[in-house]
Amino acid sequence: EDQVTQSPEALRLQEGESSSLNCSYTVSGLRGLFWYRQDPGKGPEFLFTLYSAGEEKEKERLKATLTKKESFLHITAPKPEDSATYLCAVGGKSTFGDGTTLTVKP
Amino acid sequence: DAGVIQSPRHEVTEMGQEVTLRCKPISGHNSLFWYRQTMMRGLELLIYFNNNVPIDDSGMPEDRFSAKMPNASFSTLKIQPSEPRDSAVYFCASIDRAGELFFGEGSRLTVL
Repeated sequence: EDQVTQSPEALRLQEGESSSLNCSYTVSGLRGLFWYRQDPGKGPEFLFTLYSAGEEKEKERLKATLTKKESFLHITAPKPEDSATYLCAVGGKSTFGDGTTLTVKP
Repeated sequence: DAGVIQSPRHEVTEMGQEVTLRCKPISGHNSLFWYRQTMMRGLELLIYFNNNVPIDDSGMPEDRFSAKMPNASFSTLKIQPSEPRDSAVYFCASIDRAGELFFGEGSRLTVL
């Protein structure tokens, strides 16, 4: 059974304070590691897909990396508008982590 | 493109009543997913369809839940009879060829 664990559950940062979110996974065969952003009252919004260890993808202040057992979402110099819940998922559709709720204070 | 469209956005009903949630996926997406999100259990896959055919319904909680996809542009999730523990946000999502899920805005269900 696929399992996804995200940490920390909540993260509070000052604007400009860089940090990382973790997603640990166990799967029988990785068919993609997906990151999503979810704003309150909205559906999750796709951010990145990673398929193989060593792969990295970037979008604005976010960079996602992947190893054989975990993925990191690095946030560089965050802004208040980056505040959201960040979800990771494996298999592309079925198993989501519980998410990390990020709050960035101005 | 309008994205994935769900209705209703909010539904309040009484225990024992039938609830029907509706979803229109993005045109051209061949797979559709129904998820349920609660504070306690997070985002759970209920069922997914590929080319209108149910592929995996192992996440459907019990016989009170049923889902249909009569054509490529419409799906329903029905709960009959509804119970207070069914209160949650129900999301529909469709997937493109790259494997990226596109979610609707969700239907918030409250069963009193």
